[in-house]
Amino acid sequence: QLVETGGGLIQPGGSLRVSCAASGFSISNNYMIWVRQAPGKGLEWVSVIYRDGNTYYADSVKGRFTISRDLSKNMLSLHMNSLRGEDTARYYCAREAIFGAFDIWGQGTMVTVSS
Amino acid sequence: DIVMTQSPDSLAVSLGGRATVNCKSSQSVLKSSTNKSYLAWYQQKPGQPPKLLIYWASTRQPGVPDRFSGSGSGTDFTLTISSLQAEDVAVYYCQQYYSTPQWTFGQGTKVEIK
Repeated sequence: QLVETGGGLIQPGGSLRVSCAASGFSISNNYMIWVRQAPGKGLEWVSVIYRDGNTYYADSVKGRFTISRDLSKNMLSLHMNSLRGEDTARYYCAREAIFGAFDIWGQGTMVTVSS
Repeated sequence: DIVMTQSPDSLAVSLGGRATVNCKSSQSVLKSSTNKSYLAWYQQKPGQPPKLLIYWASTRQPGVPDRFSGSGSGTDFTLTISSLQAEDVAVYYCQQYYSTPQWTFGQGTKVEIK
């Protein structure tokens, strides 16, 4: 199970951290991903942290977002800086299954960037 | 990035009827080393997160009803719901996981009851 927290209303240019608590499995054994969905829109991959700790980002967030994990708490985080209106979305954390697709998703947390 | 294009954007099918959703990738997602297409299908109901239905283009996730089937290889794929039920009303997305970490999704197809 994955449970996201930390969303809210933030002004443009601001910062926010969203988190994802995992239970039932260890995030250290899996690739963990953030996917976002703007209101009424489709799914967009945002960031991933690999088992070895390597991280990757979509071009749309590179340099502004940072993914991290706390293995002692089995928790994933996404630190978001310099937020823009186009970052408004529901942010989901997901687990990549061994076969490569995303088999577990959280309920998501809504981030709204607006003045 | 690999672009995934779904068709149609929406469709309405009678209860018990067949629903067919198509997905085309801008380049092949068939990996020669495994002879598998790295293509998944997800179902998203209103207010819920996506749910994995099918991976490797045609392998059903455990617990997914057998009225859902996937087919295709290379660049062209199809999700078929053989006998549409009311609970199948949702948006369906295809996803390629061939080019990681640049995963990409189709724009979604909304399936409704006629």
